[in-house]
Amino acid sequence: SAVISQKPSRDICQRGTSLTIQCQVDSQVTMMFWYRQQPGQSLTLIATANQGSEATYESGFVIDKFPISRPNLTFSTLTVSNMSPEDSSIYLCSVNLGGGSGELFFGEGSRLTVL
Amino acid sequence: AQSVTQLGSHVSVSEGALVLLRCNYSSSVPPYLFWYVQYPNQGLQLLLKYTSAATLVKGINDFEAEFKKSETSFHLTKPSAHMSDAAEYFCAVSENTGFQKLVFGTGTRLLVSP
Repeated sequence: SAVISQKPSRDICQRGTSLTIQCQVDSQVTMMFWYRQQPGQSLTLIATANQGSEATYESGFVIDKFPISRPNLTFSTLTVSNMSPEDSSIYLCSVNLGGGSGELFFGEGSRLTVL
Repeated sequence: AQSVTQLGSHVSVSEGALVLLRCNYSSSVPPYLFWYVQYPNQGLQLLLKYTSAATLVKGINDFEAEFKKSETSFHLTKPSAHMSDAAEYFCAVSENTGFQKLVFGTGTRLLVSP
C-alpha cells in the first residue's frame, strides 16, 4: 500500500484567486493521478502526471486552468487557477504502485470552497 | 471507452440485512474491476478488486463481489449489514494493463437503519 498526504486538507478561497494542492507519497511511484469530486458526484479524472514529462489532461480539463507539476517520484502539485464557485470540489491525489494490480491508492482529498 | 453504471444512487437496508450494490461495466478489453468505499470527509479506500483470477472476490469487512462476464456485472454483496457500513460506494473499471486510469461509477450511498 501507499501513504498519501495532501495539503491543504480544506480551504476557503476567494473568486479569482489560485490555490496549489500538494501531494506527497511515502514511496516512489511512476504514475500519479488527480481527480475531482464535485459535491454529491463521482470522481472525474483531471490528469495523469508522470515524472519528467508533461501531464496528460482529460477532455474538459486544460493546463492553463489546472497546471500540474511532478518534480520527482514522490511529489506532485495541482494548481486550481482563477477559481470560480464552480471549482468548489474535493481534489484527490492518487497513485498506482504498478505490479499489475491496477488499483489506485488515494489521499484524503483537499476540500476547496470558492466564494 | 470504458464505463461503469451503478444502479441506484441510494440503497437502504436494515442492520443485519443483506447488502447488494449493483455495478455493470462496459469495456472493449478484459477489465480490472474495483469497489471503493468513501466514508464522510475521507478519501477512498479499496474494498476489493478483480484482476482476472477468481471470479468471486472477497474483500475487507466481509464484502465480496462476483465477476460475471456474461452479464458484464460486478455486484457487491455483504451478508449482514452493520451500522458502520453506511458510506458511499464506488465501482470502477480499468483496462487490465496495470497502469491505466480508473473510470468510476456515479456511486451508491448505503444507508443502514437500526
